[in-house]
Amino acid sequence: DIVMTQTPLSLSVTPGQPASISCKSSQSLLHSDGKTYLYWYLQKAGQPPQLLIYEVSSRFSGVPDRFSGSGSGTDFTLKISRVEAEDVGVYYCMQSIQLPLAFGGGTKVEIK
Amino acid sequence: EVQLVESGGGLVKPGGSLRLSCAASGFTLSSYSMNWVRQAPGKGLEWVSSISVSGTFIYYADSVKGRFTISRDNAKNSLYLQMNSLRAEDTAVYYCASQKVGSTWYRGYFDYWGQGSLVTVSS
Repeated sequence: DIVMTQTPLSLSVTPGQPASISCKSSQSLLHSDGKTYLYWYLQKAGQPPQLLIYEVSSRFSGVPDRFSGSGSGTDFTLKISRVEAEDVGVYYCMQSIQLPLAFGGGTKVEIK
Repeated sequence: EVQLVESGGGLVKPGGSLRLSCAASGFTLSSYSMNWVRQAPGKGLEWVSSISVSGTFIYYADSVKGRFTISRDNAKNSLYLQMNSLRAEDTAVYYCASQKVGSTWYRGYFDYWGQGSLVTVSS
C-alpha cells in the first residue's frame, strides 16, 4: 500500500506571506500513461474537503491562482503565494495511482 | 446545482448495522466512479471504499473489508454503504464523493463531496 506523508503538521502564516506544504509518497505516483495521480484538497472547518489541485499542478475550476502545485515521482509541494484569511483549514494530499487510495495525514494552516 | 446528500447515519451499538445513502442531484451519477471517505472526530481523512460506474469493480480499505458493502443504483442516482458488525473505531463522519474517471475506474480526482453523515458506534 502507498503511504502519504505530509509535513509540517501545522503552519501559522502571516496574511500576505507565502506558505508551503510537502507531501511524500512511499512509491512513485507517475503512471505509464504519463500522468501523476497526486491531488490536493482543502477542508475548511465544518465543511467537506474541496479539490484544489489535480495531477500535481492543475488548478481545479474556480481555485485562485495563488495556489500552485509542483513535484514529481514521490515528492510534491503545494504553495500558496500570498495567504489570505479564507485559506485557513486542513490541507490533504491524496494518491489514486493504486488501490487502496490514500490521503496524507493533513497539514493545518492558520493565520497569525 | 450539483449536490450529494448523505443520510442514514446515527447512533448504533457495537455489533450493529447501518445503511448510509447518498443521493445525487444536478448531475448524473452514472458518469462517475463513487467513493466513501470517513473522518473520525478530530482526525484526518480515511478512504473507505470505491465502486466503478457500472458497479462491476469494487474495492475496500482493509479496515472495513468483510463488514461493509458498497453499492449503487444509477437509475435512482444513488450510492449506498451497508455497514455491519460496527465497532467503536467506525465512529466518524462518512462522506460520499464522486470521482472523475481517468485512465481506469479508480484513477481521477474527487470533484463533488456531500456534507457528510455522522455514524456513532457506542453502547
